[in-house]
Amino acid sequence: GENVEQHPSTLSVQEGDSAVIKCTYSDSASNYFPWYKQELGKRPQLIIDIRSNVGEKKDQRIAVTLNKTAKHFSLHITETQPEDSAVYFCAAPSGGSYIPTFGRGTSLIVHP
Amino acid sequence: KAGVTQTPRYLIKTRGQQVTLSCSPISGHRSVSWYQQTPGQGLQFLFEYFSETQRNKGNFPGRFSGRQFSNSRSEMNVSTLELGDSALYLCASSGGTGTEKLFFGSGTQLSVL
Repeated sequence: GENVEQHPSTLSVQEGDSAVIKCTYSDSASNYFPWYKQELGKRPQLIIDIRSNVGEKKDQRIAVTLNKTAKHFSLHITETQPEDSAVYFCAAPSGGSYIPTFGRGTSLIVHP
Repeated sequence: KAGVTQTPRYLIKTRGQQVTLSCSPISGHRSVSWYQQTPGQGLQFLFEYFSETQRNKGNFPGRFSGRQFSNSRSEMNVSTLELGDSALYLCASSGGTGTEKLFFGSGTQLSVL
């Protein structure tokens, strides 16, 4: 099955700084890579996703990059704001599975 | 379109008891998956149901079971509760292709005393 590793587990930045979270996966057949944000006490929600035929995708201050050769993908948040403080999860499905395997999560803390 | 609904929101049980959690997916979604979330452990996959059949299963003991009804609503059952079962249980619904967005419910916070 798929093995997804996520780093760092905690990331503390100052407001306005950039934040980068990286995930690696093991199954070369994986073709869909979502990122979920979970604010304290709330449900996880998809913030951005990327498919294997694309190397980068942007949505305002958020971007995701994918390197299929190295089997890693990263979440980039620019100009961080206190409301970006949350736990972020990456995920990747195994080639033969309908279910994504999640990373352990990164707790992002943005200090005002 | 109504979101994913989980009931109850909170549960307090004692060791040895059993519990049933409910999840109503978004209308039209045929896949319901269940996750256990504990601090520091991320989202641990329990199982997934698609069209009333268990299609995927995680590495949890047999005390954890589930089912899905013809209207796609799903229930999860935990028998002989242990203290370590205290967690937030989340369900998520989707169309079931594996390459699409998951819609999560708010979860059921289970405390085992």
